[in-house]
Amino acid sequence: QVQLQESGPGLVKPSETLSLTCVVSGGPISSNHWWSWVRQPPGKGLEWLGEIFHNGNSNYSPSLKSRLTMSVDKSKNQFSLYLTSVTAADTAVYYCTRGPHGWADYWGQGTLVTVSS
Amino acid sequence: DIVMTQSPDSLAVSLGERAAINCRSSQTVLYTSNNKNYLAWYQKKPGQPPKLLLYWSSTRDSGVPDRFSGSGSGTDFTLTISSLQAEDVAVYYCQQYFTVPRTFGQGTKVEVK
Repeated sequence: QVQLQESGPGLVKPSETLSLTCVVSGGPISSNHWWSWVRQPPGKGLEWLGEIFHNGNSNYSPSLKSRLTMSVDKSKNQFSLYLTSVTAADTAVYYCTRGPHGWADYWGQGTLVTVSS
Repeated sequence: DIVMTQSPDSLAVSLGERAAINCRSSQTVLYTSNNKNYLAWYQKKPGQPPKLLLYWSSTRDSGVPDRFSGSGSGTDFTLTISSLQAEDVAVYYCQQYFTVPRTFGQGTKVEVK
């Protein structure tokens, strides 16, 4: 059974960089799946942020492309998200997911990141 | 970006009755070369991650009860819960994966009347 677990600081200061890692267990990250990040601001809907394949190919949301980077570490079976210059609007629950064709069949439990000084 | 619009924003249905949620995309999500609609449906309960219900617009994910079904093609889709159960109270989202960014609808809240 594939499991995903997000980790990272729960509090980030404005203008700093938000860094999250998703550890994948129960299967190799080098499988034929896209690994993505989705967030949900408090009281709002789901927002797709981007996705990455194990070979490093990636797609990002145009609205975040200038601030967003994703990476894969096959040796640790994990992938990461880096979002620079954060503001209060980036406060959200962040989910990592696995998807075979663009939908997400496995999700992490989510981690709340608050942007505040 | 493909804009996904769901209707209604919320609905209240009696237990055992049918619930239907609509999802419209601003452009087609039907890939004609394989005749597949690149549309998924998720269920989201408070404090839990979203759960995949359907992909390819009508294929149920493993373990999803058959009271959940999907229909439609091109730009108009429907998620139907044939007989609402108490555990189905949740927010439901459609998502297109035809192109990036893989956009979600705004969500539809389903409650018990």
